[in-house]
Amino acid sequence: DGGITQSPKYLFRKEGQNVTLSCEQNLNHDAMYWYRQDPGQGLRLIYYSQIVNDFQKGDIAEGYSVSREKKESFPLTVTSAQKNPTAFNLCASSIGLVTDTQYFGPGTRLTVL
Amino acid sequence: AQSVTQLDSQVPVFEEAPVELRCNYSSSVSVYLFWYVQYPNQGLQLLLKYLSGSTLVKGINGFEAEFNKSQTSFHLRKPSVHISDTAEYFCAVSDQGGSEKLVFGKGTKLTVNP
Repeated sequence: DGGITQSPKYLFRKEGQNVTLSCEQNLNHDAMYWYRQDPGQGLRLIYYSQIVNDFQKGDIAEGYSVSREKKESFPLTVTSAQKNPTAFNLCASSIGLVTDTQYFGPGTRLTVL
Repeated sequence: AQSVTQLDSQVPVFEEAPVELRCNYSSSVSVYLFWYVQYPNQGLQLLLKYLSGSTLVKGINGFEAEFNKSQTSFHLRKPSVHISDTAEYFCAVSDQGGSEKLVFGKGTKLTVNP
C-alpha cells in the first residue's frame, strides 16, 4: 500500500532530551512537510523540503531540526531548546506544486514528562 | 501574507440536517483554497480544492464549497450530514505563484448528534 508512515505513534520525552520522529513515504513525492497541531491552533508549519538535500524553515522552526538525505525520508528532531514540545506532530508529502494535494501520515503524539 | 479565519470553532448539528462551515481568507494576490478533514486521532485528508474555473467545487462524501472572491470566502456545505461526518475540518489557502506553503485555519469541530 502506498502512503506515509510515522513512528512511533506515541513518544514520551524527559526534559532536556532530544528525540527524533520518523516520517517515511513510498508515494515517490518530491515535497515533504512537518506540521505541529495544538488544540485550537490548527496546523502550523515547522519545516518543509521541496527536494532531497534541501529544506526550509516554516513558521515555528525554533527548537526543531530536520534532514532530507533520501527522497522517502524526512525525520524531525525535537531538541531541548523547544519550549513547548508536547504536541501532535503531523508529516505530509506532495508532488511538489502548490496546487497539489498534501497526503498526511497518522501523526506522532509527543509528550514531555 | 495570507491568512485564514474559520469563524466557528465548534458546530453541533443533528443527523440529516444541513450544515455550513465558514471560512474567510485574506490575501493580496489570487489564491488556491482547500478543505481538509481530520477524523479523531488521524492525519488529514483532502475533501476538495478550488484552483480555478467554476466557483462551486464538489468533493468527497457529498461535501461542496463555493468560492466567493468578493467576500473572500470559501464556505463548506453538506445538505444532509451523517454521524460519520463527525470530525474536525480545516480550511487552507496558498498564494498563486507564491511560496509552496499552505496556511491552515484553526479548524471547526463538527459534531453530528443522533
